[in-house]
Amino acid sequence: DIQLTQSPSSVSASVGDRVIITCRASQAFSSGVPLAWYQQKAGKAPKLLIYHASSLQGGVPSRFSGGGSGTNFTLTISSLQPEDFATYSCQQANSFPRGFTFGPGTKVDIK
Amino acid sequence: QVQLIQSGAEVKKPGASVKVSCKVSGHTLTELSMHWVRQAPGKGLEWMGGFDPENGETIYAQKFQGRVTMTEDTSTETAYMDLRSLRSEDTAVYYCATRRDVLTGFFLDAFDTWGQGTVVTVSS
Repeated sequence: DIQLTQSPSSVSASVGDRVIITCRASQAFSSGVPLAWYQQKAGKAPKLLIYHASSLQGGVPSRFSGGGSGTNFTLTISSLQPEDFATYSCQQANSFPRGFTFGPGTKVDIK
Repeated sequence: QVQLIQSGAEVKKPGASVKVSCKVSGHTLTELSMHWVRQAPGKGLEWMGGFDPENGETIYAQKFQGRVTMTEDTSTETAYMDLRSLRSEDTAVYYCATRRDVLTGFFLDAFDTWGQGTVVTVSS
C-alpha cells in the first residue's frame, strides 16, 4: 500500500502569509493522480478542498490550490485568512488493493 | 443537497460490539458510494471501508477485515457500520462519508460529503 507523509507537522503563520504544505507518497500512483486535500477544524468533520491533486472542489476559495506530480504534492494557501487556521490532511486512493489512505495531518495555527 | 445524519455517542465495554448509523437525505443511498472513516483522539483520519462502485462490492481495510461489517438499508436510506470485539484502541470519532460529487455527479477518489461524526468510547 502507498503510505503518505506530510511536512511540516505543524506551522505557525500570520494572516496574509503564504503557506505551503507538502504530501509525499511512498511510491508513484499506478494511474492518474488520486490525491486529495482536506481541511478539518476542531470538533468538525473534514471538508474536501482539492481532488485529483489540483482540482478545486466547488465552493472552496481560490486562495487554495493544489499541485505536484509523481510522489510529491503540495497544498498552497496564497493568503492565509482567519478562518483557515485548521488541520490539513492529504489522502490517496489505491488501485490494487483498492483502498484509501490519509496523511498524518498538518496543523496551521496562529503565530 | 446531500446530508448525512449519524447516530449518537456510544459507550461500550471491551469485547462488545457497536453499530453506528448514517441516514441519508437529499439523494439515494445506493448512488453515493458510502464509506466509513475514523479518527482516534489526537490522531489522523483512518479509512475503514465502503462500497466500491467500480467493482460493485463493499471493500474493507485489511486492518478491520473480519471485525467490521458495513450494510445499507434502502428502505430507510440508512447505512450502518458494525464493529465487533471492541478494544480501547477503537475509541474514536466515526464518520460516514460519500464519494459522489453532488455537483458533477461523478465519483471521486475522495470523500465529498461527511456526517457529523459519532463518538465511540470503549472503556471498562
